[in-house]
Amino acid sequence: EIVLTQSPGTLSLSPGERATLSCRASQSVTSTYLAWYQQKPGQAPRLLIYGASSRATGIPDRFSGSGSGTDFTLTISRLEPEDFAVYFCQQYGSSLLTFGGGTKVEIK
Amino acid sequence: QVQLQESGPGLVKPSETLSLTCTVSGGSISSYYWSWIRQPAGKGLEWIGSIYTSGGTNYNPSLKSRVTMSVDTSKNQFSLKLSSVTAADTAVFYCVGSGSDMGRFDYWGQGTLVTV
Repeated sequence: EIVLTQSPGTLSLSPGERATLSCRASQSVTSTYLAWYQQKPGQAPRLLIYGASSRATGIPDRFSGSGSGTDFTLTISRLEPEDFAVYFCQQYGSSLLTFGGGTKVEIK
Repeated sequence: QVQLQESGPGLVKPSETLSLTCTVSGGSISSYYWSWIRQPAGKGLEWIGSIYTSGGTNYNPSLKSRVTMSVDTSKNQFSLKLSSVTAADTAVFYCVGSGSDMGRFDYWGQGTLVTV
């Protein structure tokens, strides 16, 4: 099983600031099959990034993903009010699909 | 745009079987891969399993002995059964669809809370 560890657990920032979220895998993720999701309270998660760095349809370009192997990053270049939410990473390179524990981005 | 809607009982008794159905609209069920994911209140996401319209399945080993998934292409629906439930199975259950990458979750239902 590939265990994904996200850090920090909570990120306190102000609108307009840059957010950098980390996702570390316990073993290498095959073919950068790493996705990021955003979840707001009471809503289903929404796919933001797939293949480690490709934005999903309709996702603003302030969201970007990078990384390979075991270390991945989601960057939000300038936080908008609607970006304060919980973010999960997920790997789909192995037959057992796993999620990270999440990072909450909250308003400072 | 593919849309998914979960349906099923919101309350299940311990030791019984949880049964949920997901209805797919806006696209053919045969064009995608389908999964179930659950989320206990205030916690993270857990993949339960996936099914392909060919009938093939892939279940989370931690739940495999209790999980059965099926697809009804004539109704554009797929289903989840989770047997011998306990309070630990209480969660919001999401039905999810994947497009070109079968393990990547492109489309999500709104989720349904099931309490044991």
